[in-house]
Amino acid sequence: DAGVIQSPRHEVTEMGQEVTLRCKPISGHDYLFWYRQTMMRGLELLIYFNNNVPIDDSGMPEDRFSAKMPNASFSTLKIQPSEPRDSAVYFCASQVDLFTEAFFGQGTRLTVV
Amino acid sequence: KQEVTQIPAALSVPEGENLVLNCSFTDSAIYNLQWFRQDPGKGLTSLLLIQSSQREQTSGRLNASLDKSSGRSTLYIAASQPGDSATYLCAAVWGGDYKLSFGAGTTVTVRA
Repeated sequence: DAGVIQSPRHEVTEMGQEVTLRCKPISGHDYLFWYRQTMMRGLELLIYFNNNVPIDDSGMPEDRFSAKMPNASFSTLKIQPSEPRDSAVYFCASQVDLFTEAFFGQGTRLTVV
Repeated sequence: KQEVTQIPAALSVPEGENLVLNCSFTDSAIYNLQWFRQDPGKGLTSLLLIQSSQREQTSGRLNASLDKSSGRSTLYIAASQPGDSATYLCAAVWGGDYKLSFGAGTTVTVRA
């Protein structure tokens, strides 16, 4: 397996624009997680899915953020409208279950100018 | 509140020295604890996962211990090499929400 695949690797956008980040989890992993990493706040869990169903979105900062998982092999994280304070590295991770290793993608570095 | 702390934030050692990285957690009722490595501009790579019933896990030059009663985990890296330079993060899982709670990480530099 190629691991967790995220795209794009880098995204630069202007404030107010819509941004969509994409993730393909490892096949057979029932859990998918979206994290955000900044220097100030470290790694924060935004939302996670179990079998394509959102389980906990308490970490989503604002209504501007939304996430979907239409099938077992694809998830998106959307920010609309984007703001400069959304600039961060966004990671997707997948796990077989909640008690086993987490596998992370390479991340998407988002810069909102 | 369940929190994970890693001290120090940065560490520099000469090549060949053994590395000792610390992780502390506030609630001893953890389910498991995982150590990760992160290289600059990269994602996190899982190194070791210790279940609550285990005292330690080993993989090559890496050994991680878990002491729930004192709320500590330690990652040992034997005979460090420049290629070990990276940020090391620990993350704990507690019952209830079973989500990974991360420490801020320790950035290691191994000097050749």
